[in-house]
Amino acid sequence: GAVVSQHPSWVICKSGTSVKIECRSLDFQATTMFWYRQFPKQSLMLMATSNEGSKATYEQGVEKDKFLINHASLTLSTLTVTSAHPEDSSFYICSARGLAGGSDTQYFGPGTRLTVL
Amino acid sequence: DAKTTQPTSMDCAEGRAANLPCNHSTISGNEYVYWYRQIHSQGPQYIIHGLKNNETNEMASLIITEDRKSSTLILPHATLRDTAVYYCIVRVALYGPGNNRKLIWGLGTSLAVNP
Repeated sequence: GAVVSQHPSWVICKSGTSVKIECRSLDFQATTMFWYRQFPKQSLMLMATSNEGSKATYEQGVEKDKFLINHASLTLSTLTVTSAHPEDSSFYICSARGLAGGSDTQYFGPGTRLTVL
Repeated sequence: DAKTTQPTSMDCAEGRAANLPCNHSTISGNEYVYWYRQIHSQGPQYIIHGLKNNETNEMASLIITEDRKSSTLILPHATLRDTAVYYCIVRVALYGPGNNRKLIWGLGTSLAVNP
């Protein structure tokens, strides 16, 4: 099946610093990528949707200047958490949309655990 | 996209079939039923999806009722590694860069496979 990778798998940073997370579709081209956040014991919350070569569409309540998304190619999207604070600590998951069985399907990366001290 | 209802939790004995139900009574004619699972501290894993007909792959079988108002995911021989939260989602599936329809995630069913 389609494979999506994320890097790093975990990161610990100091409050006020910026952290970049990479998401790659390894064996397919993804015109659309999604970024999710998941807090403990909660479900996935969509943060933003990005199409290759265009600006990301953010969900209500997600600050676009804080969570910078770049989708420069069909296989790579990055999420940068700027000036991170402890409340940004969470599990960040990316997803790439590809074609499977005649309809589009989202495939997910393994996630990145962010801890802000 | 239509809303789904799943039991909060289920138990299954190792080696037995696990049958996970999902109600989607407001599903539209062009909406697919997708199943994902999430093992603790990992990203969701795609399992299977279907529109009208029953589907089977190497991981599971998907049984959709004739009126499409409910479905059942079947893991034929559950193992301890199948312990996870299982999500049933319905959404329109139209391939193309213009379709940004979201997957709406509920809390899913927490399946515990016991030895």
